[in-house]
Amino acid sequence: GDSVTQMEGPVTLSEEAFLTINCTYTATGYPSLFWYVQYPGEGLQLLLKATKADDKGSNKGFEATYRKETTSFHLEKGSVQVSDSAVYFCALSDRSGGSNYKLTFGKGTLLTVNP
Amino acid sequence: GAGVSQSPSNKVTEKGKDVELRCDPISGHTALYWYRQSLGQGLEFLIYFQGNSAPDKSGLPSDRFSAERTGGSVSTLTIQRTQQEDSAVYLCASSYRDNHGYTFGSGTRLTVV
Repeated sequence: GDSVTQMEGPVTLSEEAFLTINCTYTATGYPSLFWYVQYPGEGLQLLLKATKADDKGSNKGFEATYRKETTSFHLEKGSVQVSDSAVYFCALSDRSGGSNYKLTFGKGTLLTVNP
Repeated sequence: GAGVSQSPSNKVTEKGKDVELRCDPISGHTALYWYRQSLGQGLEFLIYFQGNSAPDKSGLPSDRFSAERTGGSVSTLTIQRTQQEDSAVYLCASSYRDNHGYTFGSGTRLTVV
C-alpha cells in the first residue's frame, strides 16, 4: 500500500537558519504530493503541492521538488522565522485505482524556531 | 461559509456514551472527508463523501462509527458506545473536486473518560 515517511522531530532551529524536512514515499501509482502545516490549536493548511515529476511547489518561502527517481519530496526554506513554528505533514494522493481523493500522511514533524 | 467549521471544538464524554460530531464544509464544496488524528496513529482516513453518498467508508474503524451527509452540505460523524481508544482529534475537510487541495477544519478534540 501507499506510505509516506518523513523525518522524525522535533526539529529546533534558530531564526534565519536553513530548514530541510525529508519526505520519501511509496505509491503503487503516480501520486500527487503535498505538504500541510498545522499551527498550534489550528487545523491543517495546505502549504504547497506538486502533481508531476520535477514540479516544484512553493509558498511562503517554502519549496519542495517532486523527485520521482528518489521518490522524495523534501521541504526546504532558506531562512526560517519564529512564526514558522508548527507541525509539518508530508502527504500523497495516489491517482491509480480511483482513490485520488484519499490522502496518506506522514507522521508529522514538529518544528520549533527560537528567536 | 469562509472555512470548514466543526463543532464542538472539545468534547469530553463518559465511556459507553454516544457522541455526534458536526462538520459544516465550505459552501459549494462537493467532496467532504473525515480524518482522525491521534498520537499513536498519526492522521488516518475515515470516510469520503461525494455529495450525499459515501463511496469510501473503508477507514471507519468499527461498526460503532457511522457518518451521514445531508443536502450536500453538513455532515455528522456518530460514535456509539464510545471507548477510551476513540479519544483523538477528529478532522473534517472539504474540497471543490476530488483532491484539489483540501481545506481542513480545526477539529473536534474528543476525550473519552
